[in-house]
Amino acid sequence: GAVVSQHPSRVICKSGTSVKIECRSLDFQATTMFWYRQFPKQSLMLMATSNEGSKATYEQGVEKDKFLINHASLTLSTLTVTSAHPEDSSFYICSAPPGQAPGYTFGSGTRLTVV
Amino acid sequence: DQQVKQNSPSLSVQEGRISILNCDYTNSMFDYFLWYKKYPAEGPTFLISISSIKDKNEDGRFTVFLNKSAKHLSLHIVPSQPGDSAVYFCAARGTSYDKVIFGPGTSLSVIP
Repeated sequence: GAVVSQHPSRVICKSGTSVKIECRSLDFQATTMFWYRQFPKQSLMLMATSNEGSKATYEQGVEKDKFLINHASLTLSTLTVTSAHPEDSSFYICSAPPGQAPGYTFGSGTRLTVV
Repeated sequence: DQQVKQNSPSLSVQEGRISILNCDYTNSMFDYFLWYKKYPAEGPTFLISISSIKDKNEDGRFTVFLNKSAKHLSLHIVPSQPGDSAVYFCAARGTSYDKVIFGPGTSLSVIP
């Protein structure tokens, strides 16, 4: 089946530094990828939609300068959390539609802790 | 405005019995409704979907029912097994490649 590989699975960084999270579609081309974040015991909140070769579309309230998204190829999308602060600590997950299938495939998630 | 709602934060069911998870939505333009299963610190796993033009879809122990007039869907798991214990998210999307909107989730515990 369609697989989305997400790395790293967990990362701890110092406040003020930047962290990059990668998502790769392993056996299909992902022209579109979605980025979510999940706080403890809460739902998955959509942050942005990335499209290969064009600018990402951000949801209301998400700072585009803080959460930089790049989708440079059909198999790779990256999310960079810039100048991270403790309130950015969360679980970040990517997702991509594997063709016309109804259910999208999700990565395994990245636990970001900012200290 | 929450477009996908799951009003039961948790549900406990005896092993072997039926688990019924409910979901309501407000946007009548959704094309597909989806159920995902999720464990802590992992990505969601797709379980089953239903098109907006159907009223039932079945896959093994999982059946999803859709009532469009009531804007309500439900996931039935029968028989329930301890391995089904997880958080279940109801989700919905529009056309292909459209964003998926998630409900708040229901934590299911299946008691042996």
